[in-house]
Amino acid sequence: AQSVAQPEDQVNVAEGNPLTVKCTYSVSGNPYLFWYVQYPNRGLQFLLKYITGDNLVKGSYGFEAEFNKSQTSFHLKKPSALVSDSALYFCAVRERDYKLSFGAGTTVTVRA
Amino acid sequence: EAGVAQSPRYKIIEKRQSVAFWCNPISGHATLYWYQQILGQGPKLLIQFQNNGVVDDSQLPKDRFSAERLKGVDSTLKIQPAKLEDSAVYLCASNPTSGRPQETQYFGPGTRLLVL
Repeated sequence: AQSVAQPEDQVNVAEGNPLTVKCTYSVSGNPYLFWYVQYPNRGLQFLLKYITGDNLVKGSYGFEAEFNKSQTSFHLKKPSALVSDSALYFCAVRERDYKLSFGAGTTVTVRA
Repeated sequence: EAGVAQSPRYKIIEKRQSVAFWCNPISGHATLYWYQQILGQGPKLLIQFQNNGVVDDSQLPKDRFSAERLKGVDSTLKIQPAKLEDSAVYLCASNPTSGRPQETQYFGPGTRLLVL
């Protein structure tokens, strides 16, 4: 069975500081990993995904994520956070024909 | 390119009433998904369509939930009768082709349901 965990319910950072949102996964084969962001009263917006190849994936709005197979992690990062990055972030994993499984989400608050 | 459209955006009903949600996926997208997102949790898949056929409805509570995609384009999700625990955001998503695992799913804005 596949699963994904986001160990932090909340992440608080100051504007201009680096932002990291953690994600670990469990699959029996090769994972396909996704990050989505959700703003209040909005649907999920796709940020980036890892399929294969380069372990560092670059996505929308200056976000990137690093796939680490040995640590089974796919942490989302942004070098310099903006107040507008405050939102709910979801990591998701999919393996073979299984359904897309989401983590519980991490609320990011960036203070001015 | 227009995104996934959903309506209504908000709905308040009393328990035991019925409710229906509508979704129009991105034009040309063959695969359509309905998710339930309960407050404080990640979205959970209810049903997946490939064109007008059901691919996966293993987590759909079939005693009260039903969904259809008759012409392989837009879709409706119905709850009858609703329970308090059905209060959630119902998200529709689509992707272009066969729903392969590496394909990105594109989400609509969701319908927020409150059952009183």
